Amino acid sequence: QVQLQESGPGLVRPSGTLSLTCTVSGGSINNYYWSWIRQPPGKGLEWIGYIHYSGSTTYKPSLKSRIIISVDTSKNQFSLRLSSVTAADTAVYYCVRQGVQVWMFDYWGQGTLVTVSS
Amino acid sequence: QSVLTQPPSMSGTPGQWVTISCSGSSSNIGTNTVNWYQQLPGTAPKLLIYGNNQRPSGVPDRFSGSKSGTSASLAISGLQSEDEADYYCAAWDDNLNGLFGGGTKLTVL
Repeated sequence: QVQLQESGPGLVRPSGTLSLTCTVSGGSINNYYWSWIRQPPGKGLEWIGYIHYSGSTTYKPSLKSRIIISVDTSKNQFSLRLSSVTAADTAVYYCVRQGVQVWMFDYWGQGTLVTVSS
Repeated sequence: QSVLTQPPSMSGTPGQWVTISCSGSSSNIGTNTVNWYQQLPGTAPKLLIYGNNQRPSGVPDRFSGSKSGTSASLAISGLQSEDEADYYCAAWDDNLNGLFGGGTKLTVL
């Protein structure tokens, strides 16, 4: 059973950089796409971007200038960096496994709350 | 405001049949497949329907999905108390953007 676990600071200062890592266990990171999705408190889901295990990426256009998603296949991990954060970036961040032939998310991490505040 | 439009809330009684709609456009639902997710309170979302009408293993057949043109629907038959949750539709948009609906809060009365 594939499991995903997010890790990283729960508090980030405004204008700083949010950094999260997702560790995949119970399966290989190879041969799949991996996404980050976020959910502001009390609001809906927002797809942020995805990475293929080969390293190719696609980002949400409105966030493209601030996002870097990377992958480390040797550690079975992928990571998110979001720069110049504001309070609007406060959210629960989920790492998820994305389908190969269909854009869908079949395995989800439990989510981690990141608060942007001074 | 989400590009994929869902009713913010719906309600039903146990045993009832309910449908949740999701309206999009030619660049998303009109061209690509639709997925549905169920989010129980305080938990991560769970894949309910993918590829418009496919159920992952373990999802009861009370849940079904359909798509017509630029709209999609999630139907729940024999509504149960444990179905009380938020439901989200999702589809890829050809403008290289993954989209979620705003979510529908389903209350079982």
